[in-house]
Amino acid sequence: KNQVEQSPQSLIILEGKNCTLQCNYTVSPFSNLRWYKQDTGRGPVSLTIMTFSENTKSNGRYTATLDADTKQSSLHITASQLSDSASYICVVSAKTGGFKTIFGAGTRLFVKA
Amino acid sequence: GAVVSQHPSRVICKSGTSVKIECRSLDFQATTMFWYRQFPKKSLMLMATSNEGSKATYEQGVEKDKFLINHASLTLSTLTVTSAHPEDSSFYICSARDPRLEPYEQYFGPGTRLTVT
Repeated sequence: KNQVEQSPQSLIILEGKNCTLQCNYTVSPFSNLRWYKQDTGRGPVSLTIMTFSENTKSNGRYTATLDADTKQSSLHITASQLSDSASYICVVSAKTGGFKTIFGAGTRLFVKA
Repeated sequence: GAVVSQHPSRVICKSGTSVKIECRSLDFQATTMFWYRQFPKKSLMLMATSNEGSKATYEQGVEKDKFLINHASLTLSTLTVTSAHPEDSSFYICSARDPRLEPYEQYFGPGTRLTVT
């Protein structure tokens, strides 16, 4: 069964600290993995996209890693800011004729001053 | 990056009435648009895939007669919630696929908060 599991469910950190969010998946055949940031009451915004051959991708203070062998990804946020408070969603697509997209439940990050 | 808009951003309607939500791709032509529903603190659930000029493909468990989807042009898809019920209250998000990019890349709209009283 195609699944995407994220951990932790929620996380509280102090402003300026780093954090790492995890995503494990069992999607097959794997096509790509994306991380999105979703502010409360808003639509998701893409942070990174990685295909099978990519094992790291950065976007400013966000760095995503991908281990296609263990089917794990992480999103590392450096020097967190209050505006980083949001839900971070891991999305994995399988190439099955077209593309089947599976969403993780997200990690809710709270950055406190 | 590409922009997808939704209108309205918030709507309140009475039980039994219908409400229409619009999704527009502002700077590209979207042959495919997606409609999602999101409950509080939950992730997005795909409701249906909308292809321009053809009938929408609904996910299992989604009532097509209740959630009417029309993709009449390459920049506009609409979701109409018919005979709205309080349990239809939710956050509805659309996304659009830019055919110039990889087929799995999609841009999300800002969402529409529907409250049925």
